[in-house]
Amino acid sequence: KAGVTQTPRYLIKTRGQQVTLSCSPISGHRSVSWYQQTPGQGLQFLFEYFSETQRNKGNFPGRFSGRQFSNSRSEMNVSTLELGDSALYLCASSLKPGASEKLFFGSGTQLSVL
Amino acid sequence: SQQGEEDPQALSIQEGENATMNCSYKTSINNLQWYRQNSGRGLVHLILIRSNEREKHSGRLRVTLDTSKKSSSLLITASRAADTASYFCATDRLGGLGTASKLTFGTGTRLQVTL
Repeated sequence: KAGVTQTPRYLIKTRGQQVTLSCSPISGHRSVSWYQQTPGQGLQFLFEYFSETQRNKGNFPGRFSGRQFSNSRSEMNVSTLELGDSALYLCASSLKPGASEKLFFGSGTQLSVL
Repeated sequence: SQQGEEDPQALSIQEGENATMNCSYKTSINNLQWYRQNSGRGLVHLILIRSNEREKHSGRLRVTLDTSKKSSSLLITASRAADTASYFCATDRLGGLGTASKLTFGTGTRLQVTL
């Protein structure tokens, strides 16, 4: 069974641009969560989707948005990029939503904002 | 904000030795999970322990949970060079009335196992 796939693996953008990251969960997993990881802030929860509905959201500005499609694939978008958005963005899938579930992570997208 | 704080921040041991990492958290939880992350990669789930459990084993891993002290420990016995990674605890702090719970990660312990 294929694992969680995130594309692209690396991305370089400039301030003010926008970016879309993609995540394909493990087959059969309907819940997808996104995390931002930086050396200073560690792993910060962005949002969780289940059955195309945002179930939970972290404390990030409205520039960060996401969605989930009917096949459970998910995308997250960051508009008007800032230098501080440089981070490793991790996607995780699970069979069901909720914090009691075991998460399966992708390898992440390393975003650099110049 | 971080729910969990791991201690120590970094740990260096020799192959064959045991490694112990601790995690403290602030609010009541339903369960606690431990994950491992190799440099620049995704996290891998190691073990989940529920609030009504005190100890759990998985291979060379032993996890304890003390809800009265709001702390957990991860013990890796007979460590190997391949255990070199960052280790994170994660808790399911409730998001508040009417909101779904979310998994909140600690700051991590960087473990270096040398030959």
